[in-house]
Amino acid sequence: LAKTTQPISMDSYEGQEVNITCSHNNIATNDYITWYQQFPSQGPRFIIQGYKTKVTNEVASLFIPADRKSSTLSLPRVSLSDTAVYYCLVARMDSSYKLIFGSGTRLLVRP
Amino acid sequence: GAVVSQHPSWVICKSGTSVKIECRSLDFQATTMFWYRQFPKQSLMLMATSNEGSKATYEQGVEKDKFLINHASLTLSTLTVTSAHPEDSSFYICSAAGTSGRGTYNEQFFGPGTRLTVL
Repeated sequence: LAKTTQPISMDSYEGQEVNITCSHNNIATNDYITWYQQFPSQGPRFIIQGYKTKVTNEVASLFIPADRKSSTLSLPRVSLSDTAVYYCLVARMDSSYKLIFGSGTRLLVRP
Repeated sequence: GAVVSQHPSWVICKSGTSVKIECRSLDFQATTMFWYRQFPKQSLMLMATSNEGSKATYEQGVEKDKFLINHASLTLSTLTVTSAHPEDSSFYICSAAGTSGRGTYNEQFFGPGTRLTVL
């Protein structure tokens, strides 16, 4: 499984755009990139998933360069409720599928 | 979207007793379920992968005789912490693999977690 590296923490202010970058240098051909959000004492919640280029949904965008060795989660106009831990995960979409969580990025959104 | 529930949401037990945690997928059938453990301020640690009708696959370092996993149906997996001790106190989270219809592959839907405190 590809190891992921992301910043331990980030600070932002309400209304700003937040970009969290994750590196996964040894990503394999069958691997997909998925981001989860976790609030204290809750299970993680799916944010977005992608394989290459750009993916956008109602809450975030995911940018993946051509070499796929990194990815950037973009949260537009964050609010206080976006304060959480964000995990970048790389997983193989076959019978060996499982998620190995790294340390995540603790995002603090200030008023 | 897909919903996964856990029961109980919290439990306090005495050292030496066994505790069973249930994980249910409420609106979809989950061939594969996963169990995680999370200590305060730390990330989730995968304990085991559970496939319906077969034995669970444990991650390295996880004692299979201490953490018994049963996945008897496509909607229910249970984790039993046997002879629990204070060091087993943790937040236990299950997840079920499926697709949400959003064009994703093998998305994991997580339960709300169970807080176990062993006195």
